Amino acid sequence: DIQMTQSPSSLSASVGDRVTITCRASQSISSYLNWYQQKPGKAPKLLIYAASSLQSGVPSRFSGSGSGTDFTLTISSLQPEDFATYYCQQSYSTPQVTFGPGTKVDIK
Amino acid sequence: QVQLVQSGAEVKKPGASVKVSCKASGYTFTSYGISWVRQAPGQGLEWMGWISAYNGNTNYAQKLQGRVTMTTDTSTSTAYMELRSLRSDDTAVYYCARDGSLGMSVYWGQGTLVTVSS
Repeated sequence: DIQMTQSPSSLSASVGDRVTITCRASQSISSYLNWYQQKPGKAPKLLIYAASSLQSGVPSRFSGSGSGTDFTLTISSLQPEDFATYYCQQSYSTPQVTFGPGTKVDIK
Repeated sequence: QVQLVQSGAEVKKPGASVKVSCKASGYTFTSYGISWVRQAPGQGLEWMGWISAYNGNTNYAQKLQGRVTMTTDTSTSTAYMELRSLRSDDTAVYYCARDGSLGMSVYWGQGTLVTVSS
């Protein structure tokens, strides 16, 4: 099974900050890496798919990069509505997908 | 517009079974697979399994093999997830999600809280 790790597990940031979250796969997954945002009591929302493609309707301050085993999600200028938990997901072994443990972004 | 509407919250006793439904609309049901993902209170997302709405093929997470069954009813565009021999650590919000061509999930149900308690 492909294992996913994320760092950091949580971070505190201010509005306007640039935020970077890292995701690592236990083996190469090419670009089959997706990022989700989840707010309390809500279903996850797809932000980025195929490592760097922005899902329709998602603000351009979100971007993704990486391939192989190392990936990053960047929020260029953190907005109040961005405080949430972020999960990476590998879909290389679809339909068996795996989520990372999550990164909680809260207000400094 | 694509919608996935799940059944309501359930409270079950340990050892019982639960069956959660996920009714799809706004697209051709048999053209996409449905994944089930759960989230225990305060925890992360756990993939449970997948079913092809085209032919009913399934793929389950190893840790749930033997306890979970996923089915579809194409006549009503509804997917079902049944979990048996419930334990307290099965308490979670259960989500269905429609799969995309690259394995990501764009569309999600609203979630169904299943509470297992004696």
